[in-house]
Amino acid sequence: AQSVAQPEDQVNVAEGNPLTVKCTYSVSGNPYLFWYVQYPNRGLQFLLKYITGDNLVKGSYGFEAEFNKSQTSFHLKKPSALVSDSALYFCAVLDGSNDYKLSFGAGTTVTVRA
Amino acid sequence: DGGITQSPKYLFRKEGQNVTLSCEQNLNHDAMYWYRQDPGQGLRLIYYSQIVNDFQKGDIAEGYSVSREKKESFPLTVTSAQKNPTAFYLCASSRGISNQPQHFGDGTRLSIL
Repeated sequence: AQSVAQPEDQVNVAEGNPLTVKCTYSVSGNPYLFWYVQYPNRGLQFLLKYITGDNLVKGSYGFEAEFNKSQTSFHLKKPSALVSDSALYFCAVLDGSNDYKLSFGAGTTVTVRA
Repeated sequence: DGGITQSPKYLFRKEGQNVTLSCEQNLNHDAMYWYRQDPGQGLRLIYYSQIVNDFQKGDIAEGYSVSREKKESFPLTVTSAQKNPTAFYLCASSRGISNQPQHFGDGTRLSIL
């Protein structure tokens, strides 16, 4: 069975500072990892994914994520946060050996203050 | 624009009543999914469908039913057997059951009267 942990319920940063949202995962096979963002009363928007290849993945809106196999982590990063980045962020892992089902973390609320 | 349309945005259910949530996609995706979102719990899979006329139970299928008569449509019925139906319901689709990202609709918020 696969699982995802997002150890921080909330992350608060000042605008212009670096933003990091943490994610660790557990999966029996090869990990396929995703980050999504959700704004209030909206669906999830895809940010980026790791399937294979380079450990540093670049995605939408200036976000990037680093895959670390030894630490089973996939932290989301942005070098300079914007107030508009304030939202709920979900990490998800897809298990290719389990009908490609997505398992989501509980989410991390990011607040960027002006 | 291609996308996923969920309707209605808000829905109220009386005790003992079945309600149906609509999900339509024009992305030509084969796979469709229903998730339930509760505060602090992430998303949990209710049902998914890889192809027309076929669907499988997810992790929390009890009290729910689905149909997949058309590629574009995957309605979810919340039956009276679902004792705690108040939640935000999200529909998603993807290009087959694969490692491709899922695309989400904007959700339906269901509440009990």
